[in-house]
This record gives sequence, C-alpha cells and structure tokens, in this order.
Amino acid sequence: EAGVAQSPRYKIIEKRQSVAFWCNPISGHATLYWYQQILGQGPKLLIQFQNNGVVDDSQLPKDRFSAERLKGVDSTLKIQPAKLEDSAVYLCASSLSPGQQETQYFGPGTRLLVL
Amino acid sequence: AQSVAQPEDQVNVAEGNPLTVKCTYSVSGNPYLFWYVQYPNRGLQFLLKYITGDNLVKGSYGFEAEFNKSQTSFHLKKPSALVSDSALYFCAVRDSYNTDKLIFGTGTRLQVFP
Repeated sequence: EAGVAQSPRYKIIEKRQSVAFWCNPISGHATLYWYQQILGQGPKLLIQFQNNGVVDDSQLPKDRFSAERLKGVDSTLKIQPAKLEDSAVYLCASSLSPGQQETQYFGPGTRLLVL
Repeated sequence: AQSVAQPEDQVNVAEGNPLTVKCTYSVSGNPYLFWYVQYPNRGLQFLLKYITGDNLVKGSYGFEAEFNKSQTSFHLKKPSALVSDSALYFCAVRDSYNTDKLIFGTGTRLQVFP
C-alpha cells in the first residue's frame, strides 16, 4: 500500500514570496491533515479536511496560509506571502476516517526555508 | 488544557540494553495515546497506540508502551535496543475537544551506542 505522498521535499524561498505544497493521501482515506513542525518542536495541526470540507482550521494563519482539497483526494497548502518564521517542515497526514481511535499516517514532509 | 510532556530531550543507551522513553499527559476525559518515530529527513512513522483495554500495548519494531492512569504516563519501552533505533520519538494525545487533532510532545532523541 502506497503511503502519503508529498512534494516538493525541499523548498527555499525569500520572504514575501509565495509557495505551495502538495499532498496525496493514502488511497481511500477520507480525512487529511496538514501539520507544521518547527525545529525542536512537535508537529502542530494547521488544518483538517473531511473529504473536501474543512473540519478544523483554527490554528491556520488565514492572513497568509490557505489550503484546499477540491475533489476530496489530494490537497494543496499555500503560503502567501511567506515570513521568516514560516521556516519549518510541513507534514501531511491522512486517516481512513475521523475518530479518536483512528491512526494518522504521515508523509515525508516538505522542508521550507524562508530567507 | 490538554498537553503532553516528554521530560528528556535525549536518552542515551547502549546497544542490547533496555530503553525507556518517558511521556506524561494531561487530558480531560479518556486519553487516546500514540507514539511516533521520526528518522532524519523523513516523516513520522506510527509505532503504537493506546485506546482502551490492556495497559501494555505492543507495537512495531519490538516497541511496547505501558499506560499508567494513576501516574498519567505512557512510557515507551524496548527490552533490547538496536543502533538502528536511534531517532526522534514523539508522544501524542488526542484532543478531547477535536477528537481528531493530535497534540504532540516536543520529542525525545534516542541515541543507541554500539
């Protein structure tokens, strides 16, 4: 079974530029998550989708971050404009369905460096 | 507020010795606890989870974790460490309010020496 796919793996941009990350979840997984992992910290949830609807985006800085999952499968996370503090690893995860007992499976992440 | 604490930034152990990586939690309601491992330049890999039932949970790669409700702990253990176990380990708990959201600890770096 293929895992969660993410691209690109690495990205270097200058502040105020824009960047987009792509995620393809495990086939059949209805729930998709984007996490931000700053160096030295644990991942923090940015946004959760159930199919193509947003379940939780309370921690997403909406003035600069946006995300979509138009067809309920793959997803794109965008930052515009980027700030220095956005330097982090952006992890995508998916689970078969929502619920406390479900396991979230993570992709390899996209490492972003903002200069 | 829900939280997870991993009190040790780094744990060093000799190959072949038992290892323990500590985790304590604070949640309202029943805890749903997870351990993940992160190798360099890779995402998080699921190791094991506690939902209910037996307090000793067995997971991947020979790891196990012991749930202790009175001490609000969920320590990760392995009877005999391998050099290849060297990685960053994260404990996480499900958010009681958003049942899908995982709240992670800050991670513990495990270094196994040959």
